[in-house]
Amino acid sequence: DTEVTQTPKHLVMGMTNKKSLKCEQHMGHRAMYWYKQKAKKPPELMFVYSYEKLSINESVPSRFSPECPNSSLLNLHLHALQPEDSALYLCASSQDTNTDTQYFGPGTRLTVL
Amino acid sequence: SQKIEQNSEALNIQEGKTATLTCNYTNYSPAYLQWYRQDPGRGPVFLLLIRENEKEKRKERLKVTFDTTLKQSLFHITASQPADSATYLCVSVSGGYQKVTFGTGTKLQVIP
Repeated sequence: DTEVTQTPKHLVMGMTNKKSLKCEQHMGHRAMYWYKQKAKKPPELMFVYSYEKLSINESVPSRFSPECPNSSLLNLHLHALQPEDSALYLCASSQDTNTDTQYFGPGTRLTVL
Repeated sequence: SQKIEQNSEALNIQEGKTATLTCNYTNYSPAYLQWYRQDPGRGPVFLLLIRENEKEKRKERLKVTFDTTLKQSLFHITASQPADSATYLCVSVSGGYQKVTFGTGTKLQVIP
């Protein structure tokens, strides 16, 4: 199984809502990543988890809160988002943070009203 | 500062021809370069990786080269097909995952 799954596929939320994005992989990978991608732009790294510990936070606003409950799961909790946070949110995983290939999920298309 | 550029935002070619996409980097030396394909609204899919000590890598109709003198990688798709139409991203990696840089992508359109 070389798949990274993400739920939901689409999410529409108001600025006062609290929601969560979920990511799952069963490849035994110990590094997991959250990216944000705006239209016609490359993915931008947000967070890196290595062995379930947060190792990189690319100065992401606190309204985005990542969580790694176990080695297969990665969540991104959203609260008080702004319309400019609307984007495609991608999850990826790799064997570890020194490994070359990342496997990306299909993404969650988030719209903040 | 570390910079990676893909010289064409868009590239149109005729079906059956070879598509050549270019990736240039400046102010650093990546340990390796990767190429990904991304379809609209989907996550990137890994295609090929080439290390700094390798000149060329092939996989089926795909070929990637790495020229450390020119600071450039070329990505070729031979006998291109309409199904190859997508955005192709060049990604450089240096110093472990601490330095991963995505190019802006080239949108390839293969015309039947």
